[in-house]
Amino acid sequence: QAGLTQPPSVSKGLRQTATLTCTGNSNNVGNQGAAWLQQHQGHPPKLLSYRNNNRPSGISERLSASRSGNTASLTISGLQPEDEADYYCSAWDSNLGAWVFGGGTKLTVL
Amino acid sequence: QVQLVESGGGVVQPGRSLRLSCAASGFTFSRFDMHWVRQAPGKGLEWVTSISYHGNNEYYADSVKGRFTISRDISKTTLYLQMNSLSAEDTAVYYCAREGGEGGPAHDYWGQGALVTVSS
Repeated sequence: QAGLTQPPSVSKGLRQTATLTCTGNSNNVGNQGAAWLQQHQGHPPKLLSYRNNNRPSGISERLSASRSGNTASLTISGLQPEDEADYYCSAWDSNLGAWVFGGGTKLTVL
Repeated sequence: QVQLVESGGGVVQPGRSLRLSCAASGFTFSRFDMHWVRQAPGKGLEWVTSISYHGNNEYYADSVKGRFTISRDISKTTLYLQMNSLSAEDTAVYYCAREGGEGGPAHDYWGQGALVTVSS
């Protein structure tokens, strides 16, 4: 099953803004939206944003999700050391009848 | 608070079977679709399977279709994953996850994971 496309790595400086992207097609991201997850090494993933771009309770307002066509984006402003992690997007694919994940983006905060 | 606790992982020989369990608490188990997602060592997340809240619908990734079976016991608030004909490619941490969120559901709660190693 084809997954979503994410850049393998992004590097930004402390207190800067990072925008992570996730590209799918009209059967998944374009139709259903994408969720965003954060994973620190050795820990389970943590949901950052639902597919409708809403943040779960307790997630920082420095994070915002959006979508344009078949591409979803996660913007993290005022980068902090604790933002350094792997970020995954996920979506339901109505054609495949399956959930698909992106390959993940490793965010490095310099 | 929502808790998902996986158990049943371990080392298994190729071709053998293993069953994972996920004990759920802190929410009404019968109202949520549930999933298994795996992560091979050093790799990304891979969706494996899901089951509807009432247990009537199941979905599987092509990579496990015909070999894995998801099920749930509402009375025990437990999710299961029966894995048959295991191969080295199935070696991964297996996470149990809840699907929640009105209007834009996603995997909103995750367990700590169970490591499955397929090796002779």
